[in-house]
Amino acid sequence: DAGITQSPRHKVTETGTPVTLRCHQTENHRYMYWYRQDPGHGLRLIHYSYGVKDTDKGEVSDGYSVSRSKTEDFLLTLESATSSQTSVYFCAISEGQGITYNSPLHFGNGTRLTVT
Amino acid sequence: GQNIDQPTEMTATEGAIVQINCTYQTSGFNGLFWYQQHAGEAPTFLSYNVLDGLEEKGRFSSFLSRSKGYSYLLLKELQMKDSASYLCAVTDSNYQLIWGAGTKLIIKP
Repeated sequence: DAGITQSPRHKVTETGTPVTLRCHQTENHRYMYWYRQDPGHGLRLIHYSYGVKDTDKGEVSDGYSVSRSKTEDFLLTLESATSSQTSVYFCAISEGQGITYNSPLHFGNGTRLTVT
Repeated sequence: GQNIDQPTEMTATEGAIVQINCTYQTSGFNGLFWYQQHAGEAPTFLSYNVLDGLEEKGRFSSFLSRSKGYSYLLLKELQMKDSASYLCAVTDSNYQLIWGAGTKLIIKP
């Protein structure tokens, strides 16, 4: 158990409202990731972090921002939610220096977000 | 562009063997992962290949051919609990993961 908790697990929100999803880990791993998963698509990277205040964009970062003020918490914010952001969001960690053979991704249980 | 292809869905019988294929075209290659994802749950790590050949882990084996851009996941002695989606992912030259859309495996009694 990699000790990853996502909150909330489910959320329904209206178009145009800001939404923040939280990922909390208990083991002080350096690398944390936010993915979204949609039917017919592979997991797509939104943003990732390689340390406190160190973040970078993934392939689908438009409309999303992240913050990491503490090692254990990685927040994903939808600045103004749109229906296209309805998705399942997964947080993940890797235990080493990024993703390698002995440091695969471990995922949280996901947040199901619906934007109406 | 970068692309990973897997069959969308497969059906197999309990106790049988099934092979799930994955082909990839990526900018560079630094390893291939297989993950299992039960419906409504998080993906969990199954196996990793970086060199050509077969890696065996109990009932599950994974094969890689880098020259062909091809991998497969072999599941033996299928059990009902193996009903899940199986995700193939490749790390590219920047060590970023590129994911396939997954193969939904349905096991019938």
